[in-house]
Formats: sequence, structure tokens, C-alpha cells
Amino acid sequence: DTGVSQDPRHKITKRGQNVTFRCDPISEHNRLYWYRQTLGQGPEFLTYFQNEAQLEKSRLLSDRFSAERPKGSFSTLEIQRTEQGDSAMYLCASSFQTGSPEAFFGQGTRLTVV
Amino acid sequence: EDQVTQSPEALRLQEGESSSLNCSYTVSGLRGLFWYRQDPGKGPEFLFTLYSAGEEKEKERLKATLTKKESFLHITAPKPEDSATYLCAVQRHTGANSKLTFGKGITLSVRP
Repeated sequence: DTGVSQDPRHKITKRGQNVTFRCDPISEHNRLYWYRQTLGQGPEFLTYFQNEAQLEKSRLLSDRFSAERPKGSFSTLEIQRTEQGDSAMYLCASSFQTGSPEAFFGQGTRLTVV
Repeated sequence: EDQVTQSPEALRLQEGESSSLNCSYTVSGLRGLFWYRQDPGKGPEFLFTLYSAGEEKEKERLKATLTKKESFLHITAPKPEDSATYLCAVQRHTGANSKLTFGKGITLSVRP
């Protein structure tokens, strides 16, 4: 296993369009997290899954955002009707549910809304 | 609400000039404090986990320490390749692994 994989690495979209990002976690990990990072800030928590169940969503996650992890493996994050304020790096991480708490991150998807 | 404050925001060092990065935190029941390194345009790379006050971890030129209120990342004789943003994060004790709360990071530049 080569770590957490995210696709695409970069996405440029016009305001109002929908975008979808994919994350493939480390295969043994049953927890999967989405974070958002803007320039000069640390990552901010958006949501996380344990297997296929979405356990927590941040108030940052407006109703234009939706995340899924249908079979407890890969996850998708969709943003509908994108706004310029959605421009950011979207980071995915995975970890074990219990035991070693370290979360390992992917390389992120850089979204630019024009 | 959990809070993490890192200082200074940016640090410029000469190669070989040792220094320390600070991370102050407040959390209701600490499960772990984490240090990550992030290079421009990339995701954070895990460095250390600290669990309790007095604990220390080392890796090459880096040493992380933890007290009840703060953590330090000591960099000994840094090299230009140590230039990066260093992120500190805390995890609350909930009985299972949960989300991380991050600070804004410290951007370190090491001049040759």
C-alpha cells in the first residue's frame, strides 16, 4: 500500500459548477477524514467516516457539501454550486479506529473556483 | 472548544542555527498531540505523537517535547531541507480515534 491517494490533484472550475473529489485511504484503516486548508491556515475538519458511516460533520460543511463512503473503502466529496470561497486545498486522511491514533494524509486536491 | 496556537508564525534560521517552535494548546482530555511537516502544495507528513507530559520523541535533527500546556519542536543544526511548515494538532480523548484540531502552522526557512 502506498498511502492515501487523492484524485484529482488540481481542479479549476467555474463558479456555480459541481465538483467531486475522490480519496482512497490506506487499506487497513477504517476511519477516513476530510479537511479543508486555505492559505496560511492549518487544516480544518470537515467530516469523518468509520467504515461507511458518517459519524461527524463540522458546521463548516454547508448543505452544498456532501460526502460518501459507500462501501467503507474509498470516499467522495462533492461540492455543488461552487463559490469562490470554496477555493482551498481539500485533504483526506485515514487512521485506525482504535489503537495508533496517527492520521496519514494524502497529497490533497487543490480547488480553484474562477 | 479545543484550541491550538503556534508561535512564531514564521522563523528564518541560518543553517546550523538551532531553535525551537512552540505549540500551546487547550483541550478537554488530551488523547495525543501530533506534529506534522508540510511542504508547499503537499499534504501534511506525520512526524511525532506525544501522549503525556514529560514525553520526548526524536527523529534526526528534530526533538518534540510535551508539557501539560504546550509542546516544543526543537530543531538542532537545521539544514535547508528542513525548510517547511510545521503543524501541531491535538486529539481529544473520546474512547476512539477522532478528529484533529490544528494550529495555523509555523513556516521555517533555513538559509544555507
